Parts: sequence; structure tokens; C-alpha cells
Amino acid sequence: EIVMTQSPATLSVSPGERATLSCRASQSVSRDLAWYQQKPGQAPRLLIYGASTRATGIPARFSGSGSETEFTLTISSLQSEDFAVYYCQQYNNWPLFTFGPGTKVDIK
Amino acid sequence: EVQLVESGGGVVRPGGSLRLSCAASGFTFADNGMSWVRQTPGKGLEWVSGINWNGGSTGYADSVKGRFTISRDSAKNSLYLQMNSLRVEDTALYHCARGDYYMDVWGKGTTVTVSS
Repeated sequence: EIVMTQSPATLSVSPGERATLSCRASQSVSRDLAWYQQKPGQAPRLLIYGASTRATGIPARFSGSGSETEFTLTISSLQSEDFAVYYCQQYNNWPLFTFGPGTKVDIK
Repeated sequence: EVQLVESGGGVVRPGGSLRLSCAASGFTFADNGMSWVRQTPGKGLEWVSGINWNGGSTGYADSVKGRFTISRDSAKNSLYLQMNSLRVEDTALYHCARGDYYMDVWGKGTTVTVSS
């Protein structure tokens, strides 16, 4: 099983600041990596797939990068609605897809 | 509006069975692979099972293989998850999601509680 780790567990950021979230895979997943946002009481929302392609309707302030085992989600200027938990997911190894434990972005 | 609505959750004893359903609307269900993903406060998100667009390919997490069966009925725009031999550790919120690799539409989920 490919183990996904995310860091930091919690990121405290002021509105308007840049946030950088990391995701690491225990072995190469090529670029088969997605990012999701989840707010309390809501289902996850797809932000990024293919490591760097924004999903439909996702603002340009969200960007993804990386390949193989190291990935980054960057939120260029945090808005109030961006405070949430962010998960990465690898889908390289059918059918053993795995999620990371999440990074909580909260208000500093 | 693209929507997925799950149903069928409940409380069941260890060893029991449940069948979850997911009603899809607002998109061409028959053209899309689908997945079930579960979520618990302690373990976060766990991909459970997926099925491709025509049902010809299915996959399961090791934790549920041999106990759960995913299926679909495109005439009814519905996805199913038959869960047998349920264990306490299967307790979770079960989401239906569009996509058999990454998931771009999610339902709000149905809660399954396995308890004696």
C-alpha cells in the first residue's frame, strides 16, 4: 500500500497570506495525485487532479505542483472561505487508492 | 444540478449486512466511473471501492475485499454497495462519489454504525 503523509498537520495563516501544504507518497505515484478541500459538515470538494490541473470552478489562487513522491498545494492569498481541511489522494495504484491524513488550515 | 444522494445507512450488529444506495442526477451516470469513500474521525478518508463506467471493472480496498460488493444500475442512475460480515471498524460515514480514480462530485454521505 502506498502511504500518503501530509505536513504540517495544522497551518495557521492570516487572511491574504500564502499557504503552502505538502504531501508525500511512500513510493512514486507519477502525477496521479488529487487535492480535496473539506469544510465542517460538508463533503470533500475536488480542487486539483493530475497534480496540477484545477478542477472546474476552482479559483486560480489554488495551484498544485510536484511529481513522483513530493507534491505541494499552494493557496496564493487566503480568503476567509479557504479555512478548511485539505487532503491529498493518490490514484496511481488501482485499486489501492489512498488518502493523506489531512492538513487543517486555520486562522492565525 | 449535479447531485449524489446516499441512503441505506443505519445501525447493525457485527456480522450483519447493509445495502447502501446512491441516486445520481444532473449528469450522464452511464458515462462515469463511481466510487465509495468512507470517513471516520479517527482514520480520515478511506477509499472503499470503485466501479468503471460499464461495471466491467471493480476494485476494493483490502480492508473490505471479500465482504463488500459494488454494483451499478445505469437504467436507474444508481450505485450500490452491498456490505456483508460487517465489523465494528466499518463504522463510518459512507460517501458516494463520481469518478473511479479521482472524485469530482461527492454526496453528503450516509452513516453506518456497527455495534453490539
